Amino acid sequence: DTGVSQDPRHKITKRGQNVTFRCDPISEHNRLYWYRQTLGQGPEFLTYFQNEAQLEKSRLLSDRFSAERPKGSFSTLEIQRTEQGDSAMYLCASSSGGGYTQYFGPGTRLTVL
Amino acid sequence: GDSVTQMEGPVTLSEEAFLTINCTYTATGYPSLFWYVQYPGEGLQLLLKATKADDKGSNKGFEATYRKETTSFHLEKGSVQVSDSAVYFCALIEGGSEKLVFGKGTKLTVNP
Repeated sequence: DTGVSQDPRHKITKRGQNVTFRCDPISEHNRLYWYRQTLGQGPEFLTYFQNEAQLEKSRLLSDRFSAERPKGSFSTLEIQRTEQGDSAMYLCASSSGGGYTQYFGPGTRLTVL
Repeated sequence: GDSVTQMEGPVTLSEEAFLTINCTYTATGYPSLFWYVQYPGEGLQLLLKATKADDKGSNKGFEATYRKETTSFHLEKGSVQVSDSAVYFCALIEGGSEKLVFGKGTKLTVNP
């Protein structure tokens, strides 16, 4: 069990650029979650997958955000036309089922200049 | 909607002091309750959880009891150590949901 991994750990980009983050869940987990955490706040739910199906999306996930989990394993989160307000820590978590503990990765810190 | 309110931080204590971090929640049903901890430079880790009223979660000397009548889940530890310095988050999941709802976090600093 190597835990949830995320790549990159840090990303600095200029406003208007596109960025993509990757999350590798714990291998036997079929649920994968994305959260966003801004400074001084708790994480906020963005979306989650059961296997490859995206089952819920928060209204926080604007049209510029898209998430995929094409083979039910790793997931990507893409932000198009980044804005300074997108600067945050993006957290990924996985679990083995509904009601089970969510295990978090170290996060990707995005800074939009 | 569901929400979690934690006591404002930061909290600074001396080693071996008693710790309480207050957490209250608002939920429409019967949520499961969690405390997560974030050590400096690390990801969120589950500290303890409770899934029904009057359950007590415990781990590493920390305890919290699910109080339905007061909608609370206060975190306590009898004797804190410097290594407990971290940010602590209270969270809930409503029954049938997969979405964790977090409080804002409470930063704890323990001085030797």
